[in-house]
Amino acid sequence: GNSVTQMEGPVTLSEEAFLTINCTYTATGYPSLFWYVQYPGEGLQLLLKATKADDKGSNKGFEATYRKETTSFHLEKGSVQVSDSAVYFCALSERKEYGNKLVFGAGTILRVKS
Amino acid sequence: DTAVSQTPKYLVTQMGNDKSIKCEQNLGHDTMYWYKQDSKKFLKIMFSYNNKELIINETVPNRFSPKSPDKAHLNLHINSLELGDSAVYFCASSPTQGALSYNEQFFGPGTRLTVL
Repeated sequence: GNSVTQMEGPVTLSEEAFLTINCTYTATGYPSLFWYVQYPGEGLQLLLKATKADDKGSNKGFEATYRKETTSFHLEKGSVQVSDSAVYFCALSERKEYGNKLVFGAGTILRVKS
Repeated sequence: DTAVSQTPKYLVTQMGNDKSIKCEQNLGHDTMYWYKQDSKKFLKIMFSYNNKELIINETVPNRFSPKSPDKAHLNLHINSLELGDSAVYFCASSPTQGALSYNEQFFGPGTRLTVL
């Protein structure tokens, strides 16, 4: 079945450091790819998405590019802030006729220190 | 204006009890979902409903019974609660366009269930 693998955390960075969180996937067909973020004590929020190969999703300074050749969707940010501390989930969407099923990676905890 | 809401936010109960979690969305979406997040933060889909019909059931024990009275609501009833049911349960919804589902899902704030 489809699956998502993302780097284990926690990832601890100083403010203004460069962030990369690796994500690779296994899927049949052409899934859509997502990054969701979960701030402490809150639900999941969509951070960015890409629906086809070579698409780049971006939001709040975060970026990820859908790479079909390497089956990857790595999350990057040039300069992290303390407020970026959260759990980040990579996910793919299995398209169904009347509902899509999100398959999540295990999540990566990001801690940013001032 | 809350898009996807869940009640209660916290639920503490004894083993063997029966409990329900409610979910409502005001986004006009046709499809709703329940996900379970375990203590290691791993998220897995449990159910999905489209227009009150069950479309995804991921081999969840039959002690879990989702109920959709209308397309804006998807409730989760759990019978004979067990220790392993302790988790955070998230409701989500997504729109449907034509014969294919639009792929973005909107999540509720979660319900933390603790079984003692």
